Amino acid sequence: DVKVTQSSRYLVKRTGEKVFLECVQDMDHENMFWYRQDPGLGLRLIYFSYDVKMKEKGDIPEGYSVSREKKERFSLILESASTNQTSMYLCASLGGLRTDTQYFGPGTRLTVL
Amino acid sequence: RKEVEQDPGPFNVPEGATVAFNCTYSNSASQSFFWYRQDCRKEPKLLMSVYSSGNEDGRFTAQLNRASQYISLLIRDSKLSDSATYLCVVNPNFGNEKLTFGTGTRLTIIP
Repeated sequence: DVKVTQSSRYLVKRTGEKVFLECVQDMDHENMFWYRQDPGLGLRLIYFSYDVKMKEKGDIPEGYSVSREKKERFSLILESASTNQTSMYLCASLGGLRTDTQYFGPGTRLTVL
Repeated sequence: RKEVEQDPGPFNVPEGATVAFNCTYSNSASQSFFWYRQDCRKEPKLLMSVYSSGNEDGRFTAQLNRASQYISLLIRDSKLSDSATYLCVVNPNFGNEKLTFGTGTRLTIIP
């Protein structure tokens, strides 16, 4: 069974702080994704990575960066947190050329005060 | 127009009833279609993939209509445990694993 874990379930930070959200998957998947989920807006893709050290912008990359130094780990970085980044952050992984299923981590609910 | 549109609901349905959701997508070249289920305060999980003309898995049936660009999910003999938000998901590009998510349809099964 695929397991995707995220470093925190709940996080409270102050405006201007640097925030690291970590995601680890145990199935040797090539592709990893970071989304945020907000009421009425659904899941929106922030960044994704299809290999170590490779990254591509999703639909809403502004204010975020990512790091993929090892295949199993994909980090989302908020360089200077703002209140409009308060959200649920979900990491997902997907493996193989035609594998259909994205497996999600449990999510991190981030509140920026 | 949104890439993937769903009726947000909520749908409040008595236990044992049949319920159907529709979802429309804007990109006619979309290749893959899915329904994900998300329980309250949990992560989304794949419910069904939808290929060609559709497929069935127990009480759940998913249909794809490429001409009209919609997919549907039918749940028969609904159970209390079916209460969740159902996300319509589309892969708009062949060979690219980015997915586009609908905002979800909230279903509550009433005893």
